[in-house]
Amino acid sequence: GAGVSQSPSNKVTEKGKDVELRCDPISGHTALYWYRQSLGQGLEFLIYFQGNSAPDKSGLPSDRFSAERTGGSVSTLTIQRTQQEDSAVYLCASSFGTGVNIQYFGAGTRLSVL
Amino acid sequence: AQSVAQPEDQVNVAEGNPLTVKCTYSVSGNPYLFWYVQYPNRGLQFLLKYITGDNLVKGSYGFEAEFNKSQTSFHLKKPSALVSDSALYFCAVRANTNAGKSTFGDGTTLTVKP
Repeated sequence: GAGVSQSPSNKVTEKGKDVELRCDPISGHTALYWYRQSLGQGLEFLIYFQGNSAPDKSGLPSDRFSAERTGGSVSTLTIQRTQQEDSAVYLCASSFGTGVNIQYFGAGTRLSVL
Repeated sequence: AQSVAQPEDQVNVAEGNPLTVKCTYSVSGNPYLFWYVQYPNRGLQFLLKYITGDNLVKGSYGFEAEFNKSQTSFHLKKPSALVSDSALYFCAVRANTNAGKSTFGDGTTLTVKP
């Protein structure tokens, strides 16, 4: 596609349920990032993937959060046993490599945990 | 370690007046600096970046930013604000030795009034 695509755009779930958020990066982009944007706060880095290298998971807030990237393209962020504090907008971005390259962001998935 | 500070949560200006959105940073090594803009219910869009060279960087929509190494600042500026510039602005930094992982500020909401 022309841009980074994220699905679903909105997700409402009950506390304790697992959720999966999907990101389709721009074709050809080798780097993929996940961020969390909470109300009134900035972007919190979660994880990034670069090519076939091991992902940088240093931003994942707990072991309930995990992410994978299959075939160097689509990525799924999974949150297990969701908590109310997980409610936020989850943004995905991709870039052609890392370093000085610009990140292109998707519109995000708004997660609401009831 | 790297960090970004956007000291103002909110900036209000009248249409036609100059605007400044402030950003200071801290990194080990030389910085790569970025400004992104976020319109309501949209992902972030790239505005401009500083890598090296001329301290004054020009970007999209008439925005520019000045890199000041001694003050570790990268303030965003525009000579004449438009109502359509109203949005949330994020400054981001990445050390040139820290491939991939950018740190974003908490964002500054710019409101331009007619």
